[in-house]
Amino acid sequence: AQTVTQSQPEMSVQEAETVTLSCTYDTSESDYYLFWYKQPPSRQMILVIRQEAYKQQNATENRFSVNFQKAAKSFSLKISDSQLGDAAMYFCAYQVLTGGGNKLTFGTGTQLKVEL
Amino acid sequence: GAGVSQTPSNKVTEKGKYVELRCDPISGHTALYWYRQSLGQGPEFLIYFQGTGAADDSGLPNDRFFAVRPEGSVSTLKIQRTERGDSAVYLCASSPGLTTDTQYFGPGTRLTVL
Repeated sequence: AQTVTQSQPEMSVQEAETVTLSCTYDTSESDYYLFWYKQPPSRQMILVIRQEAYKQQNATENRFSVNFQKAAKSFSLKISDSQLGDAAMYFCAYQVLTGGGNKLTFGTGTQLKVEL
Repeated sequence: GAGVSQTPSNKVTEKGKYVELRCDPISGHTALYWYRQSLGQGPEFLIYFQGTGAADDSGLPNDRFFAVRPEGSVSTLKIQRTERGDSAVYLCASSPGLTTDTQYFGPGTRLTVL
């Protein structure tokens, strides 16, 4: 079974600073996607960034970027120039592309606090 | 266009009662997913529909849980004989239909079983 581990229950960052959230996963598959989702208090999961495992280049979306280390099964999220609106729960998620039924497997989340 | 909507936003029921939770996916999305998020946890997969049929129901915890999508659009998650352990946020997501498509989530229904 695939598992996703987020070892940081909480993280804090000063506004305008950079923070990195960690995620590791366990799989025997070679073809999969990895995601970071943001969940504010409104409960709605919002896609932050997506990485295809076959791509060596790390995905970036504006202030958000990932460090994808396939051999180490590591997928960290870097948030640059942190803003108050970035405060939320962040979930790392995994999706196998063959025979996996399209379901997402989530980690337990990291609560990010942004301080003035 | 409108996103995924879920009703009700909150539902409080008593142990042993029957509840229905509704999900309206993004128009045109053929794939629909249900997840359950317990307090302090990440969402856990329940069931996946492709069109009207359940393509994967491996996440349903027991036979008290059932979901339908009769016309390939709106879906209803049905829970019989609710138990206190069923208390959670139930999230619905939809995607255009391909395996590679991003899933878009609704705001969820918070179910509380007293």
